[in-house]
Amino acid sequence: ELKVEQNPLFLSMQEGKNYTIYCNYSTTSDRLYWYRQDPGKSLESLFVLLSNGAVKQEGRLMASLDTKARLSTLHITAAVHDLSATYFCAVASSGTYKYIFGTGTRLKVLA
Amino acid sequence: DGGITQSPKYLFRKEGQNVTLSCEQNLNHDAMYWYRQDPGQGLRLIYYSQIVNDFQKGDIAEGYSVSREKKESFPLTVTSAQKNPTAFYLCASSKNLAGERSGELFFGEGSRLTVL
Repeated sequence: ELKVEQNPLFLSMQEGKNYTIYCNYSTTSDRLYWYRQDPGKSLESLFVLLSNGAVKQEGRLMASLDTKARLSTLHITAAVHDLSATYFCAVASSGTYKYIFGTGTRLKVLA
Repeated sequence: DGGITQSPKYLFRKEGQNVTLSCEQNLNHDAMYWYRQDPGQGLRLIYYSQIVNDFQKGDIAEGYSVSREKKESFPLTVTSAQKNPTAFYLCASSKNLAGERSGELFFGEGSRLTVL
């Protein structure tokens, strides 16, 4: 059974600081996704990672995938208040459409 | 514009009643999904469908039912058998497993169900 774990669950950080969110998963997968959710809202797609060593960057966020370690990271550079949200990773077992989400990381960036 | 439409946005139900949540997409996606989110929690998969007239149970299918008679539509019925149905329900769809953003999920705005 595919399990997806994120840490930390909660993250409070100062503006301008860097931090990394980790996503571990339990079975073989060739696809990993990162989403953002604002309070009371739906999910917005951030990154799609489809191969070992994939790295994607958008603004102050950078995501990477290590399929051998079954680990993805979401790195935040020089955080700003607008990045405050909950971030989820999602994984699907190879060749399937069954997407399992991590527990989410609630990020709060303090001015 | 293409997208996913969920309705209603808010729904109140008395205990013992069945309710149906609508999900329609005009993205021409083959796969569709239903997730449940409880306050402060992650998303849990209820049902998913890869093609018309076929669907699979997710991790928490008990007390729910779905149908997939048309490519564009994937309604979810919350039955009276679901003991704790108050939650935020999210519908999503995805492209086929090909291309640069293979399998990326697109979400609707969600339906918030409250049982009185």
